[in-house]
Amino acid sequence: EVQLVESGGGLVQPGASLKLSCVASGFTFSDYWMSWVRQTPGKTMEWIGDIKYDGSYTNYAPSLKNRFTISRDNAKSTLYLQMSNVRSEDTATYYCTRGDYGYNYFDYWGQGVMVTVSS
Amino acid sequence: QITLTQQAESLWVSPGEKVSITCRASQSLLYTDGKHYLSWYQQRPGQTTKALIYHASIRTDGVPTRFIGSGSGTEFTLSIEDVQPEDIALYYCLQTLKKPWTFGGGTKLELK
Repeated sequence: EVQLVESGGGLVQPGASLKLSCVASGFTFSDYWMSWVRQTPGKTMEWIGDIKYDGSYTNYAPSLKNRFTISRDNAKSTLYLQMSNVRSEDTATYYCTRGDYGYNYFDYWGQGVMVTVSS
Repeated sequence: QITLTQQAESLWVSPGEKVSITCRASQSLLYTDGKHYLSWYQQRPGQTTKALIYHASIRTDGVPTRFIGSGSGTEFTLSIEDVQPEDIALYYCLQTLKKPWTFGGGTKLELK
């Protein structure tokens, strides 16, 4: 059974940094593109970016690429999202998603982890 | 970037009825391989987000046949025939033709 379990969220002050993790199981992690997606309290969904199966290539939403970094450790089947200089508008639930084998869509999602940016 | 518009923020439906959720793209989602890179997702409280449809009309494994994806070019529809109580959820469309991938604003299906 495919499982994606995010962790690392919580309350963080504006300007701080935070690193989210997503542990994958039930499939060969190193075979798949992975993405981070976030959902605001108003339910707007936003794709943050993705990383190639071997970690050699990343893409980001233009508005986030200067502050967010996606990485992965295939030996640990873990995806990461490093968030820096966070702002109140980064308050959201963050989801880890898997691209299907042809990367046509997101075939699995994690349950999400909440990040609240507030002083 | 490609904008996806789901006109209806909410739709009200009674069990057994048919409902259609539309998603309009700012440009064609048809790729040179003849496929449309548009997918649909269901988000129910307390459950992980579920992929329903990809390539505009292909149901993912295990999705009931009452979920029907249709459309082409820039106009797409997710229809749910014979709505069941468990279909009450948030529905999103997503384009994966051109990065940044983008979502529609979501449509909340509610019971009358």
